[in-house]
Amino acid sequence: EIVMTQSPATLSVSPGERATLSCRASQSVSSNLAWYQQKPGQAPRLLIYGASTRATGIPARFSGSGSGTEFTLTISSLQSEDFAVYYCQQYNNWPPGWTFGQGTKVEIK
Amino acid sequence: QVQLVQSGAEVKKPGASVKVSCKASGYTFTSYGISWVRQAPGQGLEWMGWISAYNGNTNYAQKLQGRVTMTTDTSTSTAYMELRSLRSDDTAVYYCARVWALNWFDPWGQGTLVTVSS
Repeated sequence: EIVMTQSPATLSVSPGERATLSCRASQSVSSNLAWYQQKPGQAPRLLIYGASTRATGIPARFSGSGSGTEFTLTISSLQSEDFAVYYCQQYNNWPPGWTFGQGTKVEIK
Repeated sequence: QVQLVQSGAEVKKPGASVKVSCKASGYTFTSYGISWVRQAPGQGLEWMGWISAYNGNTNYAQKLQGRVTMTTDTSTSTAYMELRSLRSDDTAVYYCARVWALNWFDPWGQGTLVTVSS
């Protein structure tokens, strides 16, 4: 099973600042990586797929980069609605199946 | 618009079974797969398995093999997830999600809370 490790666990950022979240895979997943945002009490929402392609309706301040084992999600200027938990997910290893990182919580500094 | 609507919250006793439904609308149901993901209180996301709505093929997470069954009813565009021999650590919010070509999940259902308690 491919293990996805996200860092940091919690990121404290002021509104308007840049946030950089990391996701590392235990083996190469090529560009087969997605990012999701989850707000309290809500289902996750797809932000990025293919490591760098924004999903429909996702603002341009969200960007993804990386390939192989190292990936980054960048939020260029944090808005109040961006404070949430972010998960990465690999979909390269099929079967046995997909795996998620443990999440990074972006909180208000 | 594309939407997945799940059944309501359940409370079950240890050893019982639960069956959660996920009704799809706004797209051709048989053109996509459905995955199930669960989230224990305060924890992260755990992938449970996948079913093809086209032919019913399944792939379950090894951890749940033997306890979980995923099915679909194409006449009503509904997917089902049944989990048996429930334990307290199965208490979680269960989500269904449409799967794009064995890749990413979009959109997700609103979630169903399953509580296992004696």
